[in-house]
Amino acid sequence: QSVLTQPPSVSGAPGQRVTISCTESSSNIGAGYDVHWYQQLPGTAPKLLIYGNSNRPSGVPDRFSGSKSGTSASLAITGLQAEDEADYYCQSYDSSLSGGGVFGGGTKLTVL
Amino acid sequence: EVQLVQSGAEVKKPGESLKISCKGSGYSFITFWIGWVRQMPGKGLEWMGIIYPGDSDTRYSPSFQGQVTISADKSISTAYLQWSSLKASDTAMYYCARSPSTVSKNYFDPWGQGTLVTVSS
Repeated sequence: QSVLTQPPSVSGAPGQRVTISCTESSSNIGAGYDVHWYQQLPGTAPKLLIYGNSNRPSGVPDRFSGSKSGTSASLAITGLQAEDEADYYCQSYDSSLSGGGVFGGGTKLTVL
Repeated sequence: EVQLVQSGAEVKKPGESLKISCKGSGYSFITFWIGWVRQMPGKGLEWMGIIYPGDSDTRYSPSFQGQVTISADKSISTAYLQWSSLKASDTAMYYCARSPSTVSKNYFDPWGQGTLVTVSS
């Protein structure tokens, strides 16, 4: 059971805006640890989409944005496109784990 | 270009040992952490552990502690993930990825292409 909870699936029509939530089951997000987001297209390795809650790496379209408030973080995708259909994962640090890193369970985005 | 290149797919029998590799290039290998992530068929990402090649400081997720060994050879810019006795449940895709930190800035970028490990009798 992941300490980061994501909805299993979300969907939207082309051009619409969708959001994916990532809720911390403990106080880790609220403790100030950053949340990061990854996109995994079918059959490919994950790719960093957002780091440090709201920062986009070079090359990531500004249609993708991240935010964090209290114990919850969100990924927003505006102007939805067919190629955005993928699995999305949040990741953070969990001080209760000796290794520290933890992923959310993942969210499948379907573009209708 | 920063790149991580992983070793090829493996097919093994239960009880066999295995060591897969991840070679970094295009950056100073000893100044970033290298993490390993498991993805079982049709499932999500699991954070396994991470190593700092500069001094071999290694951290494991409790779920993987004692099940795998993470190591690195900084002389050839390569990190490793190894098993001493594979189980069928180790069948998965394994990714390596670079990280600037183990705490707050612990994001992974870039990722290797993945190594598919199949364990079957």
